[in-house]
Amino acid sequence: EAGVAQSPRYKIIEKRQSVAFWCNPISGHATLYWYQQILGQGPKLLIQFQNNGVVDDSQLPKDRFSAERLKGVDSTLKIQPAKLEDSAVYLCASSLVGPVIEFFGPGTRLTVL
Amino acid sequence: AQSVSQHNHHVILSEAASLELGCNYSYGGTVNLFWYVQYPGQHLQLLLKYFSGDPLVKGIKGFEAEFIKSKFSFNLRKPSVQWSDTAEYFCAVTADNAGNMLTFGGGTRLMVKP
Repeated sequence: EAGVAQSPRYKIIEKRQSVAFWCNPISGHATLYWYQQILGQGPKLLIQFQNNGVVDDSQLPKDRFSAERLKGVDSTLKIQPAKLEDSAVYLCASSLVGPVIEFFGPGTRLTVL
Repeated sequence: AQSVSQHNHHVILSEAASLELGCNYSYGGTVNLFWYVQYPGQHLQLLLKYFSGDPLVKGIKGFEAEFIKSKFSFNLRKPSVQWSDTAEYFCAVTADNAGNMLTFGGGTRLMVKP
């Protein structure tokens, strides 16, 4: 079966610019997650969707980060404006039945200069 | 604060050596435990998981992990490592008193010398 797709794979921006990431989960997976993985650390959950509703966004910096999942399928994560400390890999994952995540996407590596 | 700790950040072994990677968590209540692996250039993938029952869990590629409730530990083991096991390994936990959100440890980078 096709895996979780993410784009772009790499992005370099300057601080204060905006950026958006896209995720297409595995077909039929109702639960979608965005994780942030800073170099040398484990992934940290930013937001979890169940269909198109938010289950948990307690660790999402809402002053600059936003995410949506229209129609309960694809999702976008946006950062506006970006800060240096946002440099990280942004991972998308999906699951058929939460909270067991078996499938992560390849990630988007963001570098903020 | 509730957390997942992996005390070994880097491990270097020779092929055929035995492996044990430590994982400790600080959650109370009912927990589910996981090990994930990320091979160089590849996606993060699930290695094994524990929900209930036999505390010794067997996963793919000869890996196993043992849940010791009294020690709040879920250590990963493999009797004889191969060069292809070179990867980063992450322990993760969900807890019913923490919203069942999957929380990861900081990871252990394993290098196996041929």
